[in-house]
Amino acid sequence: GDSVTQTEGLVTLTEGLPVMLNCTYQTIYSNPFLFWYVQHLNESPRLLLKSFTDNKRTEHQGFHATLHKSSSSFHLQKSSAQLSDSALYYCALSNYNQGKLIFGQGTKLSIKP
Amino acid sequence: EAAVTQSPRSKVAVTGGKVTLSCHQTNNHDYMYWYRQDTGHGLRLIHYSYVADSTEKGDIPDGYKASRPSQENFSLILELASLSQTAVYFCASRQSSYEQYFGPGTRLTVL
Repeated sequence: GDSVTQTEGLVTLTEGLPVMLNCTYQTIYSNPFLFWYVQHLNESPRLLLKSFTDNKRTEHQGFHATLHKSSSSFHLQKSSAQLSDSALYYCALSNYNQGKLIFGQGTKLSIKP
Repeated sequence: EAAVTQSPRSKVAVTGGKVTLSCHQTNNHDYMYWYRQDTGHGLRLIHYSYVADSTEKGDIPDGYKASRPSQENFSLILELASLSQTAVYFCASRQSSYEQYFGPGTRLTVL
């Protein structure tokens, strides 16, 4: 079945350094929808980015990601980390008219001063 | 902005007691979901529904029931609450292939 893999459970960075969180997926469908959700402490997950277009960069709130169907990847990046970026980040997959999102295990991003 | 509300926001229950968590959405979305999240862990799908009066089992349905009496409302029922069901529960709604909107969560403590 479909699956999403986030290889890092915890990423710790110093403020100002670039961020890259990995996300790869597996699906038999050719037109997947990919999402990044962010969850700050004591809050609910909220949508950060979404894409279904191959090789097109999508950006929001300083973060960006590009869906690469050739490598089944949708990595999340930011050029310069801020303390406020500390949160739990989920990558998720859906296919057209599919009943549920498939979430990755989540990556905790911790930014240090 | 989509709106999903949950009640109660926090609850303390006794082992063996019955607990009902409620979710209401005003988005006119077809799909609704219940997840649990344990401290430091990811989201796990308990039950979901794509139409009123019908529910589907998610990945961890044991010990939980769900009810969808209308498009707007989706409840999660713990008939016999257990210590292991202490967690934060999130409801969410979604329309077809698009993004999912989460409610604020309910923190359940079973003693």
